[in-house]
Amino acid sequence: DVKVTQSSRYLVKRTGEKVFLECVQDMDHENMFWYRQDPGLGLRLIYFSYDVKMKEKGDIPEGYSVSREKKERFSLILESASTNQTSMYLCASRTGTGLRETQYFGPGTRLLVL
Amino acid sequence: AQSVTQLGSHVSVSEGALVLLRCNYSSSVPPYLFWYVQYPNKGLQLLLKYTSAATLVKGINGFEAEFKKSETSFHLTKPSAHMSDAAEYFCALNSGNTPLVFGKGTRLSVIA
Repeated sequence: DVKVTQSSRYLVKRTGEKVFLECVQDMDHENMFWYRQDPGLGLRLIYFSYDVKMKEKGDIPEGYSVSREKKERFSLILESASTNQTSMYLCASRTGTGLRETQYFGPGTRLLVL
Repeated sequence: AQSVTQLGSHVSVSEGALVLLRCNYSSSVPPYLFWYVQYPNKGLQLLLKYTSAATLVKGINGFEAEFKKSETSFHLTKPSAHMSDAAEYFCALNSGNTPLVFGKGTRLSVIA
């Protein structure tokens, strides 16, 4: 059974803090993704990675960075947290493309920035 | 550019009634289309996907969706709603190796 785990379910941080959100998958998937989910806006892609040390900007990368030093781990970094980054963050990993594509999601991290 | 539009941010049905959640898409290349479900306080789970093999796609929990190219639609249906179907539903698309593009979601409520 594929597992995508996220380091925290709930997180409370102060404005200006550096925040690390960790995501680990156990199925040797090449592709990993970070989304944020906000009511009425659906899921928006922040960053993604198709291989170790590779990263690509998604639709809303401002204020975020990522790190992928190992295949199974994809970290999202908020360099200086702001209140408008209060959101639900979802990590996903993917195997295959097209007919064989299956994307698996973690349970999410709900981040509150005060 | 690709996009997904889900009509209705909130749909309410009675238990036993037909569920219809609407999704329209825009894509300049043949798309792969997906429906995901998110139960309260959970991550997203794949319901079904269209990959051009058949226009009527059956998924888990009795859901199905029909791909209609002429209408650029991929609506999700279930003949009889159950209380356990109450969740948020997301339509998404991509083409080949690109990231998924999601709609804004539709919250389904089921009334006893």
